[in-house]
Order: sequence, then C-alpha cells, then structure tokens
Amino acid sequence: DIQMTQSPSTLSASVGDRVTITCRASQSINNWLAWYQQKPGKAPILLIFDASSLESGVPSRFSGSGSGAEFTLTISSLQPDDFATYYCQQYKSYPRTFGQGTKVEIK
Amino acid sequence: EVQLVESGGGLVKPGGSLRLSCAASGFTFSTYSMNWVRQAPGKGLEWVSSISSSSSYIYYADSVKGRFTISRDNAKNSLYLQMNSLRAEDTALYYCARRYCSSTSCYGAFDIWGQGTMVTVSS
Repeated sequence: DIQMTQSPSTLSASVGDRVTITCRASQSINNWLAWYQQKPGKAPILLIFDASSLESGVPSRFSGSGSGAEFTLTISSLQPDDFATYYCQQYKSYPRTFGQGTKVEIK
Repeated sequence: EVQLVESGGGLVKPGGSLRLSCAASGFTFSTYSMNWVRQAPGKGLEWVSSISSSSSYIYYADSVKGRFTISRDNAKNSLYLQMNSLRAEDTALYYCARRYCSSTSCYGAFDIWGQGTMVTVSS
C-alpha cells in the first residue's frame, strides 16, 4: 500500500498569511494526487486533482504543485473561511489512501 | 442539484450487520464509479471500497475485505454497503462519494460527497 504523510499535522497562521502544506508518498504516484478541505461536521470538498489542477469553483488562492512523491498545497493569502483540515489522497493504485490531515488554526 | 444522500446507519452490537444506502440525484448515476469513505470520530479519512459504473470492478480496503460488500442498482440510482461481522473499529461516519470525471477524463479523486451516515458498533 502507498502511505501518505502530511506535514505539519497542525499549522497556526493568521489571515493574509501564505500557507504551505506538504504531502509525501511512500513511492512515486506520478501526479495522481488530490487535495481536500474539510470543516467540522461537514463532508470534504475537492480542491485540487492531478496534483495541480484546480477544481471548478475553488478560489485561485489555492494551488497545488509537485510530482513523483512530494507535493504541496499552497494558500497564497489565508482567508477566514480557510481555517479547516486539509487532506491529500493518492489515486495511483488501490487501496486509495489519504494523508492523516493538516489542521489550519487561527494564530 | 447534484446530490448524494446516505442512510441506514445506527447502533449495532459487535458481530452484527448493517446495510448502508446512498441515493444519488442530479446526475447520470449509471456512468460514474462510486466509493465509500469513512471517518472515525476525531480521526482522518479512510477509503473503504469502490465500484465501477457497471459493477465490473470492485475494490476493498484490507480492513473490511471479506466482511463488507459494495453494490449498486443503476435503475434505482443507488449505492449500497452491506456490512457484516461489525467490529468496534468500524465505528465511523460513512460517506458515499462520486469519482470525479470532467468532460474528457475521469480521475481517482472524489468530487461529490454525501453528508454521511453514522455507524456505531458497541455492546
């Protein structure tokens, strides 16, 4: 199975900050990676697919990069609505696997 | 409106069974692969199972293989998860999720999620 490891687990930031979350795969997954945002009590929302493609309707302050085994999700200017938990997910192979999540908190 | 609505969760004793359902609307259900993803209380997301549009391809997480069965009824726009031999560690919010497809390609990401149905396994 492909293991996905996110860092950091928790991130404290202020509105307007540039935020970067890293996701590492235990082997190369090409660019077959998605990022999700989840708020408490809500279902996840797809932000990014194929490592860097922005899902329709997602604000352009979100961006993804990377290929192979190392990926990043960047929020260029953190907004109040962005405080949430973020997950990466690989879809190179089954079983599909998620990172453990990164909680973005208000500093 | 594209929508997925799960139902069938509840409290069950260890060793018991439950059948979850997911009703799809607002899109052509029969053309999409579907998935179950679960989230234990306070924990992260765990993929459980996937089924292709025509049920030809089915996959399970090792943690549920041999105990859970995914199925679908395209005529009823519905996805199911039959869960047998339930364990305490199966306690979670179960989401159904649609495989993301653009106008030209399909991806392994999940673009539409239901709100989930809670399964609690406890004596």
